[in-house]
Amino acid sequence: EAGVAQSPRYKIIEKRQSVAFWCNPISGHATLYWYQQILGQGPKLLIQFQNNGVVDDSQLPKDRFSAERLKGVDSTLKIQPAKLEDSAVYLCASSLIFKNTEAFFGQGTRLTVV
Amino acid sequence: AQSVTQLGSHVSVSEGALVLLRCNYSSSVPPYLFWYVQYPNQGLQLLLKYTSAATLVKGINGFEAEFKKSETSFHLTKPSAHMSDAAEYFCAVYSGGYQKVTFGTGTKLQVIP
Repeated sequence: EAGVAQSPRYKIIEKRQSVAFWCNPISGHATLYWYQQILGQGPKLLIQFQNNGVVDDSQLPKDRFSAERLKGVDSTLKIQPAKLEDSAVYLCASSLIFKNTEAFFGQGTRLTVV
Repeated sequence: AQSVTQLGSHVSVSEGALVLLRCNYSSSVPPYLFWYVQYPNQGLQLLLKYTSAATLVKGINGFEAEFKKSETSFHLTKPSAHMSDAAEYFCAVYSGGYQKVTFGTGTKLQVIP
């Protein structure tokens, strides 16, 4: 079974530039999550999709971050414009449903904003 | 609000010694609890989860955790540490009222040969 795929693995951009991350969840997983993990901290949920609908985006900085999950499969997370404090690892995860089922994580995208 | 507190951002143990990583949670409703492990430059992998069945939960790689409601704790243990256990460990809580998983700040485990 293929795992959660994310690309790119690493990205370095200058502040005020834009960047996009891509995630392909495990086939058949209805729930998809984007987390932000700043160095030394635990993952923080940015947005959660159930199929192609948003379940929770309360911690997504909507003035600069956006995410979509077209057709309920792949997802992209975009930052425009980026700030220095956006430097972090962006993790995508998926699960069959949310609640107590296991979430499977991708390897993440490490973003450095300079 | 739900929250997780992991005591000790860094823990060092000798190879073969007991591993004990502490996690306390706060939740106004019965929680589900998880331990994840993260190796360098990798995503998170589920070690074990508590979902209101047995209070002693066994996971992968010889780890186990015990849910203690009276202490609001879910500490992770392993009888004998291996070098390959060196990683960062995250405790997480899910409670239905908030419908999302909240992670602790993590504990880095160092295993000394």
